[in-house]
Amino acid sequence: EDKVVQSPLSLVVHEGDTVTLNCSYEVTNFRSLLWYKQEKKAPTFLFMLTSSGIEKKSGRLSSILDKKELFSILNITATQTGDSAVYLCAVPNFGNEKLTFGTGTRLTIIP
Amino acid sequence: ETGVTQSPTHLIKTRGQQVTLRCSSQSGHNTVSWYQQALGQGPQFIFQYYREEENGRGNFPPRFSGLQFPNYSSELNVNALELDDSALYLCASSLGLAQETQYFGPGTRLLVL
Repeated sequence: EDKVVQSPLSLVVHEGDTVTLNCSYEVTNFRSLLWYKQEKKAPTFLFMLTSSGIEKKSGRLSSILDKKELFSILNITATQTGDSAVYLCAVPNFGNEKLTFGTGTRLTIIP
Repeated sequence: ETGVTQSPTHLIKTRGQQVTLRCSSQSGHNTVSWYQQALGQGPQFIFQYYREEENGRGNFPPRFSGLQFPNYSSELNVNALELDDSALYLCASSLGLAQETQYFGPGTRLLVL
């Protein structure tokens, strides 16, 4: 059974701080790892990572994958109140029909 | 290009009733997956439909069933509702079975009393 564990479960920081969110996984036939941001309802896609050591970047957000140690991190620099959300990490199974999600990290940015 | 849409946004039912939730996939996407998200948890996979056929199912009982239509929209039906079925139901679409990335709709929040 595929497994995804995220840490911390919640994080409260001040605006302008940098945060690092962690995701470790156990999956048969690894293909990729995905990060989503969930503010109210719909998880919105952030990144898909397939190769070790290659950083994906979008503005203040970046993510990197370590296939040897089976984890990924999501970094957010210069945090803003709009970054407050639950961040979800997921891995697809080999047939791509199913995403296995972690429980998410709830990030709260205090102005 | 329109994103994934779901209806209704909220629903209240009583135990034992049946419910139907609807999803329209993103333009051009032929694959639809359904997830259940309980409070404080990550989404749990219910099943996926590809070209009107079920293509994989998670650990949900048979009272959870689905359909996909020729226009790739989809329905999730839940019979004999239980209190534990209260959750956010998310629909996600993707561009075929080779694509790992799924794009989510806003969800339907179901409350069972």
